[in-house]
Amino acid sequence: RKEVEQDPGPFNVPEGATVAFNCTYSNSASQSFFWYRQDCRKEPKLLMSVYSSGNEDGRFTAQLNRASQYISLLIRDSKLSDSATYLCVVNRGSTLGRLYFGRGTQLTVWP
Amino acid sequence: GAGVSQTPSNKVTEKGKYVELRCDPISGHTALYWYRQSLGQGPEFLIYFQGTGAADDSGLPNDRFFAVRPEGSVSTLKIQRTERGDSAVYLCASSFQPSSYEQYFGPGTRLTVT
Repeated sequence: RKEVEQDPGPFNVPEGATVAFNCTYSNSASQSFFWYRQDCRKEPKLLMSVYSSGNEDGRFTAQLNRASQYISLLIRDSKLSDSATYLCVVNRGSTLGRLYFGRGTQLTVWP
Repeated sequence: GAGVSQTPSNKVTEKGKYVELRCDPISGHTALYWYRQSLGQGPEFLIYFQGTGAADDSGLPNDRFFAVRPEGSVSTLKIQRTERGDSAVYLCASSFQPSSYEQYFGPGTRLTVT
């Protein structure tokens, strides 16, 4: 079983839409959680960390449910520039530094 | 400031050849990571260095893969007897410390084995 599972999509939404991505992780020892963004043929970049209490950064809201081992990302008021692949990422405390990536969810926002 | 740089950006090689991929981390970052990303997949961990030593090499797929970081800065990933299945984008990342949550990725080296 993969460490991090994500629906690959693609998600195609109009500008202004709200879209949500989910992922699950298999190892209950996972301690840190993130969403990375990857544009086509570019490197991944940290979008936001995910905290147990949930956190928001502008139009982006991340949630973590440790009991269900489930992470979500909500994007409100989608912009054309949000088109990218969103990678769900976890880090186990026992393997310091090593990141486990999901396969990514592809989002296309159309005008 | 300068980010993580990787050279070459593209490498085409024939099956069975040896290749070296280079990574220059952000200055002052002690932790350096190598990942491999195949088409349609997320990056997959290969190895990470803390300083000069490989702290975790459990992601290296087999003994054809080897990496060094002799002076604790630049790292080289070496692949012997390349196979077509080695074709992927090889990403390098660095962070200030291994426990730092943000890893900064380089643009990657796209390796194609023909």
